[in-house]
Amino acid sequence: GAGVSQSPSNKVTEKGKDVELRCDPISGHTALYWYRQSLGQGLEFLIYFQGNSAPDKSGLPSDRFSAERTGGSVSTLTIQRTQQEDSAVYLCASSYFGQGGTGELFFGEGSRLTVL
Amino acid sequence: GESVGLHLPTLSVQEGDNSIINCAYSNSASDYFIWYKQESGKGPQFIIDIRSNMDKRQGQRVTVLLNKTVKHLSLQIAATQPGDSAVYFCAENNAGNMLTFGGGTRLMVKP
Repeated sequence: GAGVSQSPSNKVTEKGKDVELRCDPISGHTALYWYRQSLGQGLEFLIYFQGNSAPDKSGLPSDRFSAERTGGSVSTLTIQRTQQEDSAVYLCASSYFGQGGTGELFFGEGSRLTVL
Repeated sequence: GESVGLHLPTLSVQEGDNSIINCAYSNSASDYFIWYKQESGKGPQFIIDIRSNMDKRQGQRVTVLLNKTVKHLSLQIAATQPGDSAVYFCAENNAGNMLTFGGGTRLMVKP
């Protein structure tokens, strides 16, 4: 499709399990962001990828969280040994910073994670 | 560190009235600002943007005002409708090209 695609849309897991969340950004977009949003709360920045530069991981809450972006396109956010406080919606967004690009973020619909 | 913040977490308005959502930013180097609207169960969507060389920009029923002197951004919605009920986020883009989001304001429209 033409937009940012995230999968799974919903994930229920048991405490202690690992989960992987996937993001397919808009083709050609150079930047990719992951955010976390707890119920009724704002956007918590997690990690930012821009082109071939080293990612900005300053928002990752613990070493249980990691993210990769392969080939400058698809990204996977991995949460190891999930805890109940990890329950949230994880949003991915992409943007284009090339000539004519404004940096506007285009968001996916999010992956809702529930840790039992 | 630099941050973008909002004055009001919740705003309740009567249908048909005008709404004003405010945002304060602290990074004087920011040169691009965006307002996003997030409806329940969906990802945020672009509403309107403004560059730092402008003070005002208008869209359909929405106006964004930028006051660089006091580092203040506002979103005005004219003739607010029930469909405007959502959470609104402001975001700033600084020299590092990474967008930073404010905490969000929930707009509730009463019929």
